[in-house]
Amino acid sequence: DAKTTQPTSMDCAEGRAANLPCNHSTISGNEYVYWYRQIHSQGPQYIIHGLKNNETNEMASLIITEDRKSSTLILPHATLRDTAVYYCIVRVYNQGGKLIFGQGTELSVKP
Amino acid sequence: DAGVIQSPRHEVTEMGQEVTLRCKPISGHNSLFWYRQTMMRGLELLIYFNNNVPIDDSGMPEDRFSAKMPNASFSTLKIQPSEPRDSAVYFCASSPTSGRGNEQFFGPGTRLTVL
Repeated sequence: DAKTTQPTSMDCAEGRAANLPCNHSTISGNEYVYWYRQIHSQGPQYIIHGLKNNETNEMASLIITEDRKSSTLILPHATLRDTAVYYCIVRVYNQGGKLIFGQGTELSVKP
Repeated sequence: DAGVIQSPRHEVTEMGQEVTLRCKPISGHNSLFWYRQTMMRGLELLIYFNNNVPIDDSGMPEDRFSAKMPNASFSTLKIQPSEPRDSAVYFCASSPTSGRGNEQFFGPGTRLTVL
């Protein structure tokens, strides 16, 4: 699975959009981009995934560049409850596939 | 749906003792994963099962660690004998065959402290 690079930490003001970048320059054609987050002391939680088109769900939007070498997770209106570590993971879409977690980005949403 | 259930939530034991962690996956999910999280190493996959069969146990650190899945609704992770460096939070996760990109659902974790 391709490796990802994320900033160690970021701050965001409550109510503003949080834009979390991820570099995955060695991504291959059949690898998807996944985002999970881990709120303190809880298990990780799935947010969104995508292959090459931008994706949106009730939690967030995922923007993937045309060359697929980087992506951005967008939380449109961050709240204090969005404070967490956000993990960008690249892996082949298959049944039962494992997740390889990096260090992630620690997002702090401040009032 | 109760989600993934793990027990115990906290375990404190002494070095050399046997420790058994338990996991009940979400009903209908056919993949089960055991992860370990420490400050030094982050979240790392230990082993995962598909349809109760171990598929990849390359993350299991030593022979002291063993995992079983006797049926679709139950799995155990055993450490024998336990050592202080095994202190960590152990997460179990399950995943369905289909659905949102094989989204994994994580349990609340078991915090293990080995004295």
